[in-house]
Amino acid sequence: GAVVSQHPSWVICKSGTSVKIECRSLDFQATTMFWYRQFPKQSLMLMATSNEGSKATYEQGVEKDKFLINHASLTLSTLTVTSAHPEDSSFYICSAQWVNSYEQYFGPGTRLTVT
Amino acid sequence: GQNIDQPTEMTATEGAIVQINCTYQTSGFNGLFWYQQHAGEAPTFLSYNVLDGLEEKGRFSSFLSRSKGYSYLLLKELQMKDSASYLCAVSRGNTPLVFGKGTRLSVIA
Repeated sequence: GAVVSQHPSWVICKSGTSVKIECRSLDFQATTMFWYRQFPKQSLMLMATSNEGSKATYEQGVEKDKFLINHASLTLSTLTVTSAHPEDSSFYICSAQWVNSYEQYFGPGTRLTVT
Repeated sequence: GQNIDQPTEMTATEGAIVQINCTYQTSGFNGLFWYQQHAGEAPTFLSYNVLDGLEEKGRFSSFLSRSKGYSYLLLKELQMKDSASYLCAVSRGNTPLVFGKGTRLSVIA
């Protein structure tokens, strides 16, 4: 099956710093990648949809200047949390989808803790 | 708007059968997914239904009725490792999946 990786799997950072999370599709070309955030015991919340070579589409309430998304190639998307605050601590999950498929393949997630 | 409803929590006994229901109202429909998510891990794919009827895959089966906007996931011969959250998600084509809030299943001895 399709494999999606995320790096790092967990990260601890200080308040005010920025953190970059990478999402890679390892064995297929992902035309679209999605970024989700999940707080404990809550469901996945879509943050943004990213298409290769174009600007990401952000969901309502998600600050595009705070959560920078870059999808420079068909196998890599990055999410940068800028000026992180403790309330940004969460589980960030990416998923990838390729053309002609409706299925999304999820990465293993990145647990971010901001102190 | 998009609306997907699932029970929040369910408890079932090891070895038993449990049915997790999902109802949806979405603008557009191109199939329904079920995912399993263990605590602290990413969701993993269980099933995909686009036509009405029952799809069986080992201990797990999924049913869809498009006219009723209804699906269920059936888990047989429950095992302790089946304790997880089960997410119902609707595909509307080339747009992000719309996820329900998930059903947290606890399997007890």
